[in-house]
Amino acid sequence: AQRVTQPEKLLSVFKGAPVELKCNYSYSGSPELFWYVQYSRQRLQLLLRHISRESIKGFTADLNKGETSFHLKKPFAQEEDSAMYYCALRGPGGGDKLIFGTGTRLQVFP
Amino acid sequence: DTAVSQTPKYLVTQMGNDKSIKCEQNLGHDTMYWYKQDSKKFLKIMFSYNNKELIINETVPNRFSPKSPDKAHLNLHINSLELGDSAVYFCASSHGPQNYNEQFFGPGTRLTVL
Repeated sequence: AQRVTQPEKLLSVFKGAPVELKCNYSYSGSPELFWYVQYSRQRLQLLLRHISRESIKGFTADLNKGETSFHLKKPFAQEEDSAMYYCALRGPGGGDKLIFGTGTRLQVFP
Repeated sequence: DTAVSQTPKYLVTQMGNDKSIKCEQNLGHDTMYWYKQDSKKFLKIMFSYNNKELIINETVPNRFSPKSPDKAHLNLHINSLELGDSAVYFCASSHGPQNYNEQFFGPGTRLTVL
């Protein structure tokens, strides 16, 4: 079954510390993975997708098929990074459904 | 503003009532979705429509009926509301069921069933 696991509900760090939000997936085919972010009082929005291999707001995520992981990393956290982060996997079959993990709340303290 | 909009933002109602949530997007997208976010922040897809046709229908009680009058609108009607229906409902849209399409989300509708 397709599944996305985010083991941490809450991750708290101080400003300037490195951040790694974990995401593991279960998928039999070639996965398409995304990170979405929801800042306080804002709507859910795409942060990055694995195909783009891009760095957005200092965040990067590398797809590791051997470990079935897509962890989100940032070397130096900022207070404005505080938000809810969701890892998502594009589901199989027709349509374009996203299978979300349960989310990780990142708190960055000053 | 180009965006995905939902009305109402908050909805408080009694068990057994019937209610609707409306969603509109002016992004010119072909595909629209409804997601449910429960009290533990878990997001799960409910429905997806492409060009007014239903393409995804997850295991959702048939008290939930989506309706798409045109490509820009996807409304969600819920009959005989139950306590467990309390959640935040998010509408989203994208260019279509193709690889790597970004989904754009509405602000959410917080439904509270008393």
